[in-house]
Amino acid sequence: ETGVTQTPRHLVMGMTNKKSLKCEQHLGHNAMYWYKQSAKKPLELMFVYSLEERVENNSVPSRFSPECPNSSHLFLHLHTLQPEDSALYLCASSQDLGFSYEQYFGPGTRLTVT
Amino acid sequence: RKEVEQDPGPFNVPEGATVAFNCTYSNSASQSFFWYRQDCRKEPKLLMSVYSSGNEDGRFTAQLNRASQYISLLIRDSKLSDSATYLCVVNQDYNQGGKLIFGQGTELSVKP
Repeated sequence: ETGVTQTPRHLVMGMTNKKSLKCEQHLGHNAMYWYKQSAKKPLELMFVYSLEERVENNSVPSRFSPECPNSSHLFLHLHTLQPEDSALYLCASSQDLGFSYEQYFGPGTRLTVT
Repeated sequence: RKEVEQDPGPFNVPEGATVAFNCTYSNSASQSFFWYRQDCRKEPKLLMSVYSSGNEDGRFTAQLNRASQYISLLIRDSKLSDSATYLCVVNQDYNQGGKLIFGQGTELSVKP
């Protein structure tokens, strides 16, 4: 399926590096999300964008910086990460914000911080 | 108390078995409820929404009890392809719509 794509699929970075994760949705949706999934933990919502406006920042450290240049693209800029930031980062989109809208997930970027 | 709590699992069952997953949620203002499925090293995908009246989709039946803040998923006649982690998901009241809260997941392994 190509509804929500993410690049890169795997990323290894040192603690002093700067990198960016990219997400693109081809579904015409208005809302986009970043989630973090660590081993043996539930998915954690990081950021929510609706029509390119950030509507949620879930107490995420400033070393994670999101960017939404348009409703189809979402970035997560990373800098000076810690080893505990190693996780699967999932992007999702939904038609709109709302209680019943299904969220469609991308395949994720598996990040390892060394 | 966790916002969404599921059976810890894993569940190891033979093909053809019936298996039930339970989930509880803490926020009584929660508005909608879902079961997602996540295959190993893949992204979550919606399995089914959960309605107060209960709903069925083939071999899968979901139930919601708002008074007890309890959600269940029943899988009948398990197939090998049902092996996955099942995520209980609750969409909470929130200023501009919904915020999905995920349970930690229950792993199911169906054996021949």
